[in-house]
Amino acid sequence: EAEVAQSPRYKITEKSQAVAFWCDPISGHATLYWYRQILGQGPELLVQFQDESVVDDSQLPKDRFSAERLKGVDSTLKIQPAELGDSAMYLCASSRHKNTEAFFGQGTRLTVV
Amino acid sequence: RKEVEQDPGPFNVPEGATVAFNCTYSNSASQSFFWYRQDCRKEPKLLMSVYSSGNEDGRFTAQLNRASQYISLLIRDSKLSDSATYLCVVTMDTGRRALTFGSGTRLQVQP
Repeated sequence: EAEVAQSPRYKITEKSQAVAFWCDPISGHATLYWYRQILGQGPELLVQFQDESVVDDSQLPKDRFSAERLKGVDSTLKIQPAELGDSAMYLCASSRHKNTEAFFGQGTRLTVV
Repeated sequence: RKEVEQDPGPFNVPEGATVAFNCTYSNSASQSFFWYRQDCRKEPKLLMSVYSSGNEDGRFTAQLNRASQYISLLIRDSKLSDSATYLCVVTMDTGRRALTFGSGTRLQVQP
């Protein structure tokens, strides 16, 4: 069964450092999402791609976060500089089209110290 | 008002019980609806889609009420393994904020 791949699974970083997460969606999935989830809350959308284009990054803190999906396949999410409040689970998901069911990777658990 | 609202619970039920969760959404233009299940510290996994005509998958039944803007999930004959957080997901037609999650309802099935 095809899966969304994410790495790393866990990341501990010091505040003010840079950190990057990688995601490889299910083959053929045009839509890719990055979500952030704080314990006890639902996932919140950071950015949505349709192929290589950003469809929605209205909730992405652009002063420190950036995301790219250069060839419309895999994607990278970067935080620079990291802040203590960025500690959360970062989830990548993909779907064949927008508005269809999405499948999630195992996530990257980030701890900023 | 949140776009998607759920009762956080927890719902504590004995094995074999029937339990139902509701989820309300604020945008009448919402197009597609899903229930996801999330185990502690794991990623959300698709449980089922919710169609206008309803959807049943074994012990799970999902219903959509567009007039009142809510969806429901019914679990019959609860198992210990059903203990998890159930997330309601709503999509919009505009392409922006395409998948919006509720905060989840926690279910604890007890022996």
